[in-house]
Amino acid sequence: QVQVVQSGAEVKKPGASVKVSCKASGYTFTGYAMHWVRQAPGQRLEWMGWINAGNGDTMYSQKFQGRVTVIRDTSASAAYMELSSLRSEDTAVYYCAREGPAGGYYFDYWGQGTLVTVSS
Amino acid sequence: QSVLTQPPSVSAAPGQKVTISCSGTSSNIGNNYVSWYHQLPGTAPKLLIYDNNKRPSGIPDRFSGSKSGTSATLGITGLQTGDEADYYCGTWDSSLSVVVFGGGTKLTVL
Repeated sequence: QVQVVQSGAEVKKPGASVKVSCKASGYTFTGYAMHWVRQAPGQRLEWMGWINAGNGDTMYSQKFQGRVTVIRDTSASAAYMELSSLRSEDTAVYYCAREGPAGGYYFDYWGQGTLVTVSS
Repeated sequence: QSVLTQPPSVSAAPGQKVTISCSGTSSNIGNNYVSWYHQLPGTAPKLLIYDNNKRPSGIPDRFSGSKSGTSATLGITGLQTGDEADYYCGTWDSSLSVVVFGGGTKLTVL
């Protein structure tokens, strides 16, 4: 069965970087895009970007351009999201989510979420 | 980012029907597929509806989706206490080149 498992919670100081991992299993990793979505406490879901796990192409929200990098390791069936220059407003739960087989920017399997806390 | 507008909360009694609206613009809902998710506290969102009205396997037919113009609606019939959750709509915004989500609707089953 499809599973998407993320790395554990992180606490970072302002200005630092964080790298969250997302390991997929139960399907052909390179056949699907992987997206990153975050949710600040009590806030709506916020899309950050995605990676074509097949060819490595990426696309990011303008809001995070220059601060976010998403890569994948096909040998490990894993995707990674790195966010730099962290500030307190980046405190949120970060999710990776697989795009559904029909395309169309919907997400059929989600990781369990990784809480990133930015605090001095 | 463009915002999809949802009512903050809805409520209904067990066994009843409820609808949740999601309002957007021609750059998002008007020209792209809509998906719906529900989220229990402390857990990841779960896909309920995709491509406006399709249900993934395992989602009961109590859940339905529709779209008209720049608005979409999620319907839930035969409400159960286990349906209490936050519900989000989402779609692609062609002008902003981002996925946008609604602000979420908290469903209370009285």
